[in-house]
Amino acid sequence: EAQVTQNPRYLITVTGKKLTVTCSQNMNHEYMSWYRQDPGLGLRQIYYSMNVEVTDKGDVPEGYKVSRKEKRNFPLILESPSPNQTSLYFCASSRQRNQPQHFGDGTRLSIL
Amino acid sequence: GQNIDQPTEMTATEGAIVQINCTYQTSGFNGLFWYQQHAGEAPTFLSYNVLDGLEEKGRFSSFLSRSKGYSYLLLKELQMKDSASYLCAVMGYGGATNKLIFGTGTLLAVQP
Repeated sequence: EAQVTQNPRYLITVTGKKLTVTCSQNMNHEYMSWYRQDPGLGLRQIYYSMNVEVTDKGDVPEGYKVSRKEKRNFPLILESPSPNQTSLYFCASSRQRNQPQHFGDGTRLSIL
Repeated sequence: GQNIDQPTEMTATEGAIVQINCTYQTSGFNGLFWYQQHAGEAPTFLSYNVLDGLEEKGRFSSFLSRSKGYSYLLLKELQMKDSASYLCAVMGYGGATNKLIFGTGTLLAVQP
């Protein structure tokens, strides 16, 4: 089954404790992206990747890192999480940048 | 600056037709997407327009006018399950042709 898989689905953690949210897709898609979704602000792009080893900043990259060592994986790293990063996060992928994106089920992060 | 506007909320009656508008301002444009998002779920792709005109897909149609920076999503024969948020997203915004920028979404409530 074609899918985008994110882990974990839920996480409660504390300020400053490094965490990684994994994202994997099995569709051989080139374009992958991370978003955060907050009430009243909608979906905002954090980082995106056009292909392996090619990543670029979205609109809200501060406090986040990504890597794209393999085509299928695009982890989101919070080196020193802070409470303002409490949010619902979505990973998405598409065959190319102007193709429909397939979204993962989301990861709800709470930073205390 | 970059801006995508869509109404915050709309209400419609089961069986009726509803039109959700989206206006955008950009110096670069590589397509406009519509996504549907039910509460607590991931967004799912509805339609994509890159050229002017109407794209029809079953009960859903989407229209684009690039010269006016305007799009709408038309939902016919509304069903209760169409109650959801509808997200307008533009690819290639403000000169950054690989970013995908979302509007804050329109929450549609379908009433019996």
